[in-house]
Amino acid sequence: AAGVIQSPRHLIKEKRETATLKCYPIPRHDTVYWYQQGPGQDPQFLISFYEKMQSDKGSIPDRFSAQQFSDYHSELNMSSLELGDSALYFCASSFGGRFNEQFFGPGTRLTVL
Amino acid sequence: QKEVEQNSGPLSVPEGAIASLNCTYSDRGSQSFFWYRQYSGKSPELIMFIYSNGDKEDGRFTAQLNKASQYVSLLIRDSQPSDSATYLCAVTNYTGTASKLTFGTGTRLQVTL
Repeated sequence: AAGVIQSPRHLIKEKRETATLKCYPIPRHDTVYWYQQGPGQDPQFLISFYEKMQSDKGSIPDRFSAQQFSDYHSELNMSSLELGDSALYFCASSFGGRFNEQFFGPGTRLTVL
Repeated sequence: QKEVEQNSGPLSVPEGAIASLNCTYSDRGSQSFFWYRQYSGKSPELIMFIYSNGDKEDGRFTAQLNKASQYVSLLIRDSQPSDSATYLCAVTNYTGTASKLTFGTGTRLQVTL
């Protein structure tokens, strides 16, 4: 079965640079979620989109923005990167938005030097 | 106090035994409950989800929910070394069109030979 696709899988950036992470949800899934997981921590919710509209916002810095496109893929844009942004970034998708189980992509490991 | 609490472990069980993982949550409005398995450096993998009080079985896994006690558990029967991983409990509270997951810090399970 098709899974969530994320690219790139690994990304190394310098401080103050920008990064763009991409997520392609499971076919027919209409909801995308972004999570950040620091070393030894649990995943923290950043932002979600349902039918291309922002649905919920968590602990996402103002330096980050995201959107969902007409083909349902999503991009997380991160600017003015800081050392503390180094983490695993997961995208998850679900069908229907409410109650439905979320399936996670393999993640993008971002390292900020 | 975290919204979702788990014993960090490690929980060590011998191969073939039953592993019992527990989770408590603070928000009485929580509606859906999920168990994810996460291997080191990998993405969370959905194992079970439960919405109603009682037990739900799927193969070697049984999820138990007691909303009155705000308690969720996961039983793994016939534990195998490949079950060694961190198990994340997650809950959702419908606040919009997409229900974010709030995770516990996870319980590390070690299945010994």
